[in-house]
Amino acid sequence: VTLLEQNPRWRLVPRGQAVNLRCILKNSQYPWMSWYQQDLQKQLQWLFTLRSPGDKEVKSLPGADYLATRVTDTELRLQVANMSQGRTLYCTCSGGLGGGDTQYFGPGTRLLVL
Amino acid sequence: QQKVQQSPESLSVPEGGMASLNCTSSDRNFQYFWWYRQHSGEGPKALMSIFSDGDKKEGRFTAHLNKASLHVSLHIRDSQPSDSALYFCAASEQGNSNNRIFFGDGTQLVVKP
Repeated sequence: VTLLEQNPRWRLVPRGQAVNLRCILKNSQYPWMSWYQQDLQKQLQWLFTLRSPGDKEVKSLPGADYLATRVTDTELRLQVANMSQGRTLYCTCSGGLGGGDTQYFGPGTRLLVL
Repeated sequence: QQKVQQSPESLSVPEGGMASLNCTSSDRNFQYFWWYRQHSGEGPKALMSIFSDGDKKEGRFTAHLNKASLHVSLHIRDSQPSDSALYFCAASEQGNSNNRIFFGDGTQLVVKP
């Protein structure tokens, strides 16, 4: 059963250009939504967790700047800017908050730098 | 310093053999552990969770946790070619306020027919 949809699935990004990603939650039993990045060396790193519509957070990491927004109870967005190295962004969902909740990953959006 | 370390980096086993993957953490606040599996071109999928000391068995997969030594292992018996994938150990803290899970660098498993 698919819990998350992500689009686009991949994108070529000209250097200096921003790109917007979407994640749609298909099961409301897992309302805690997060973004993780996976770099070219396959390392996975947590970026954000957003629960409520209207929540926004920004973060700068080596190789990219991020702005995450929880748009609705079912939609999470991520804007990626100033990307210098390719990466894959995964949306995740979980049933709760507190440590022992399994994160379920979406299929990912692969970003390549032109 | 990486909070979760995995070994080996890569592992090759024959079909039907036993694969053993290891993981240690450097943070005593970690209370919850998972093994994730990622096939090429897909997102990671949670394979098993283990939160208590001892063994947890699910089919051909057995996880072992020793909180005192902060060591987790995964054993796959009767390995199949479809088990070939990148395996991640993951951990999180009790009272985690942001659902942040820390991942190791992964073990690439190849099961040869």
